[in-house]
Amino acid sequence: NAGVTQTPKFRILKIGQSMTLQCTQDMNHNYMYWYRQDPGMGLKLIYYSVGAGITDKGEVPNGYNVSRSTTEDFPLRLELAAPSQTSVYFCASGRGDQETQYFGPGTRLLVL
Amino acid sequence: AQTVTQSQPEMSVQEAETVTLSCTYDTSESNYYLFWYKQPPSRQMILVIRQEAYKQQNATENRFSVNFQKAAKSFSLKISDSQLGDTAMYFCALYEDSSYKLIFGSGTRLLVRP
Repeated sequence: NAGVTQTPKFRILKIGQSMTLQCTQDMNHNYMYWYRQDPGMGLKLIYYSVGAGITDKGEVPNGYNVSRSTTEDFPLRLELAAPSQTSVYFCASGRGDQETQYFGPGTRLLVL
Repeated sequence: AQTVTQSQPEMSVQEAETVTLSCTYDTSESNYYLFWYKQPPSRQMILVIRQEAYKQQNATENRFSVNFQKAAKSFSLKISDSQLGDTAMYFCALYEDSSYKLIFGSGTRLLVRP
């Protein structure tokens, strides 16, 4: 049971670089989410998707982009990395008719 | 706007004792759900327990139970017979049917002492 997988586990970026955080789920969930967790804080929603081709902004979308071309994948793109984007990023998925979300293991990102 | 507040940044409990973590929330919705998630040092987010707002009965999962006070908008987590493996950050979260989103509190760090 893979569930929700995220790659990479850890990455160091230089200011101004770009990268894509990958997220894949094998549970056929329609709903997928990206959160960030800053040190000592709870999770904040960046973007979410209710199905392939449909995405919407969460609380903290600035500096990020997403796409959802398939049910399984929901990549998160950082175009111009900034130190404020140093955080742990979690991807999650859910059925939509159920409110429970299942989380991936997280990606730790350090921007220097 | 919906909010979730955890007023206890850190708590400590002796192994085998009982501890209660507090959470208050605010929502204007009538249909919502409440969750407690556990985050051990591995950072994995693990669902501990969930409560449907329309159910009056408090949810229970083995050693974990909640005290859901809907009128007071309070949702506390009780851990009985605390174990060393319960050491973790605990997050309270609110889900509203209308928004499809989880709103998290800032967390409570629980240390179980041997």
